[in-house]
Amino acid sequence: DAGVTQSPTHLIKTRGQHVTLRCSPISGHKSVSWYQQVLGQGPQFIFQYYEKEERGRGNFPDRFSARQFPNYSSELNVNALLLGDSALYLCASSLADLNTIYFGEGSWLTVV
Amino acid sequence: QKEVEQDPGPLSVPEGAIVSLNCTYSNSAFQYFMWYRQYSRKGPELLMYTYSSGNKEDGRFTAQVDKSSKYISLFIRDSQPSDSATYLCAMSAGNTPLVFGKGTRLSVIA
Repeated sequence: DAGVTQSPTHLIKTRGQHVTLRCSPISGHKSVSWYQQVLGQGPQFIFQYYEKEERGRGNFPDRFSARQFPNYSSELNVNALLLGDSALYLCASSLADLNTIYFGEGSWLTVV
Repeated sequence: QKEVEQDPGPLSVPEGAIVSLNCTYSNSAFQYFMWYRQYSRKGPELLMYTYSSGNKEDGRFTAQVDKSSKYISLFIRDSQPSDSATYLCAMSAGNTPLVFGKGTRLSVIA
């Protein structure tokens, strides 16, 4: 069975640019969450979507946005990139609730 | 005070040792407790999941939750070099986003 898949795995962007990260959840999972993990820290919650509706949002600026598609895949968009946005962006999926979530391998974003 | 505190280590032990990893937390609403293992440059992998207080065992791994002390532990018996990774504790109040500790970096030396 395929786990959570994310793309791209690595990317380098310049300050001020925009980035789109993509995620496909585990088959049958309807909930997708996004987390940001800065080096040396634990993951920080950004967004949760369930059945294409936003169910939660973490303490991130409006430059961060996300959406979920009818096939339950999701994308995370970040505008006006800052150096501090450099991190591992993790997508996680779950059946319905947030209590048991499974992570993908992440997208490594470097902003220069 | 951060909601979840976890000693970042690093922790270095010889092969075969018993490893104890711990987290403390401040939010008494937390009811769901997880441990994730994260290898270098990989996504976190769910190891153990516990609801409320008590113990849970899975092979060489045992998770303990003491809600009265707001303290959770993960024990690894007969540790192996392949256990070398960062271990993240995470918790939630139930259908709320997971709150993670910083992670403890473990090295098991052969």
